[in-house]
Amino acid sequence: AQKVTQAQTEISVVEKEDVTLDCVYETRDTTYYLFWYKQPPSGELVFLIRRNSFDEQNEISGRYSWNFQKSTSSFNFTITASQVVDSAVYFCALSEPNYGGSQGNLIFGKGTKLSVKP
Amino acid sequence: DTEVTQTPKHLVMGMTNKKSLKCEQHMGHRAMYWYKQKAKKPPELMFVYSYEKLSINESVPSRFSPECPNSSLLNLHLHALQPEDSALYLCASSPGIDEAFFGQGTRLTVV
Repeated sequence: AQKVTQAQTEISVVEKEDVTLDCVYETRDTTYYLFWYKQPPSGELVFLIRRNSFDEQNEISGRYSWNFQKSTSSFNFTITASQVVDSAVYFCALSEPNYGGSQGNLIFGKGTKLSVKP
Repeated sequence: DTEVTQTPKHLVMGMTNKKSLKCEQHMGHRAMYWYKQKAKKPPELMFVYSYEKLSINESVPSRFSPECPNSSLLNLHLHALQPEDSALYLCASSPGIDEAFFGQGTRLTVV
């Protein structure tokens, strides 16, 4: 069965600290996609990154970086020099690309609430 | 235009009311989705439309009735809801296997 685990329910940091959000997934599919979404208090889910199962290269985008390790089934997300605007709930998600022939049928982790204090 | 627009943003309805949620996207995406999100929980998939046809129904009660009138619109008709149906209802669209774009959601309260 597919499953996404975000063990950290809440994290609180002070501005400019680095913070890593953990994500561990389970799947029997050999082809799958992993995502991170940000959900600010307004409610909208904001797409941050997609990674397919064949691409283990780490990625950096500004202050954000992602570490994908198939050996440990982890897809961790690091924010460098955190800012107050980073405060939100962050969801890691797994998709089953063959399920219904479409995408967006995402299996979400329970989310990590990040609070960045000034 | 990379937006998914949902209306209304907030809705309060009685258990005997009939109401509809509306979702619109003009990105030419072939797939559209309804998710339900309870407070402090992750979103859960309800329905998937692919090429305007219902392709996935995640065992959702019949008091929720989806409709896809055309490739840009997705509705969710609500009837005889229960207080436990109160949640944030999120619409999303995707071009296929790429990322899903989400709307801001409709916060529904059933009284």
